[in-house]
Amino acid sequence: SQQGEEDPQALSIQEGENATMNCSYKTSINNLQWYRQNSGRGLVHLILIRSNEREKHSGRLRVTLDTSKKSSSLLITASRAADTASYFCATVLNRDDKIIFGKGTRLHILP
Amino acid sequence: KAGVTQTPRYLIKTRGQQVTLSCSPISGHRSVSWYQQTPGQGLQFLFEYFSETQRNKGNFPGRFSGRQFSNSRSEMNVSTLELGDSALYLCASSLELPGLAGGTDTQYFGPGTRLTVL
Repeated sequence: SQQGEEDPQALSIQEGENATMNCSYKTSINNLQWYRQNSGRGLVHLILIRSNEREKHSGRLRVTLDTSKKSSSLLITASRAADTASYFCATVLNRDDKIIFGKGTRLHILP
Repeated sequence: KAGVTQTPRYLIKTRGQQVTLSCSPISGHRSVSWYQQTPGQGLQFLFEYFSETQRNKGNFPGRFSGRQFSNSRSEMNVSTLELGDSALYLCASSLELPGLAGGTDTQYFGPGTRLTVL
């Protein structure tokens, strides 16, 4: 089964609003990464947060990690049309160093 | 610096055939990973190569195989194609093994090869 599960599966918001996506995982991790994928294309790395970090920022992105709850959230502030994409969390398992992706959240920014 | 390239971009095959997909990593990158992406299963890890050695393997049947050459270029092969093999196959490269050192090494993805099996 998937290690990471994103929630919600799909999200539509108005341009300018904030978008929040969540990721839950099952086993102990080394770190967690978020990726973006525009329709039918390759993935683009957005941000990495280590297991000993609680929050990280990159431009309009804010990622939090709660290892006690085995969950992470990605916040995109002041959304733009170009943010329309699928967002995936990926966990690096500390038992075998494999990178496991969730099924993603499809974000649609409405004009 | 050129990004990760994958060839071909699109491929149509029939059941029972075999296929070879190619991936050229970013210059200087020694690690290449392969993923299969389908609407139902999402992104599934296939294999990971580093310095011509397979370092990790996902839960796929033996019909799926791969290799890495001395110039870090990688190929994956799928034999005896099934309808369920239709997917977007993504290749990603990184300087080192992305899972090592807590996976702090960023993976750079190629645009993918869209395989359709009829």
